[in-house]
Amino acid sequence: AQSVTQLDSQVPVFEEAPVELRCNYSSSVSVYLFWYVQYPNQGLQLLLKYLSGSTLVKGINGFEAEFNKSQTSFHLRKPSVHISDTAEYFCAVTLNAGNMLTFGGGTRLMVKP
Amino acid sequence: GAVVSQHPSRVICKSGTSVKIECRSLDFQATTMFWYRQFPKQSLMLMATSNEGSKATYEQGVEKDKFLINHASLTLSTLTVTSAHPEDSSFYICSARGAWGDPDTQYFGPGTRLTVL
Repeated sequence: AQSVTQLDSQVPVFEEAPVELRCNYSSSVSVYLFWYVQYPNQGLQLLLKYLSGSTLVKGINGFEAEFNKSQTSFHLRKPSVHISDTAEYFCAVTLNAGNMLTFGGGTRLMVKP
Repeated sequence: GAVVSQHPSRVICKSGTSVKIECRSLDFQATTMFWYRQFPKQSLMLMATSNEGSKATYEQGVEKDKFLINHASLTLSTLTVTSAHPEDSSFYICSARGAWGDPDTQYFGPGTRLTVL
């Protein structure tokens, strides 16, 4: 079975600073990887996904992530964050794209002015 | 495109009552819908997977007689929490996957917050 670990439960950062949210996964077979964002009392919105091809994936809102198979990681990055990026971010993995997702514990990004 | 709605967004009920939550795909046909629950400050846990016209597949530890799922059409799935108790209070989120468009992605509804008194 696959699992996802988000090492940081909270990441405080100042506005306009760069940020990296870490995600590591465990699986004995190839997986597909996703990052979702959840604003308070809302559902999840897809930021980006890796299915195949280029390991550097660009998503919405200026976010990008890099798939590193050797390190089994899929870290999310943004070069300059805004107050509006304050939210909960979830990394997720699936063995079959479109099927059940296994989520990490989430990372709360707190952007301070 | 790919919008998923949930109704109601928030519900408060007394212990022992049943609550129905609807999940609708508004602009695509969802062949598969997923139901998750999320406790405060925790991640999402998959409860069940439902395919249109067939019985839902429940995850281990989820009582299928308590959490009734009906996926009667390609745009609607319902989750009924029967005889709800305070420990059922949670944020319930559905997601849907379509047969066309982007089948590799699940689209999530806005969630339903259930509070059982």
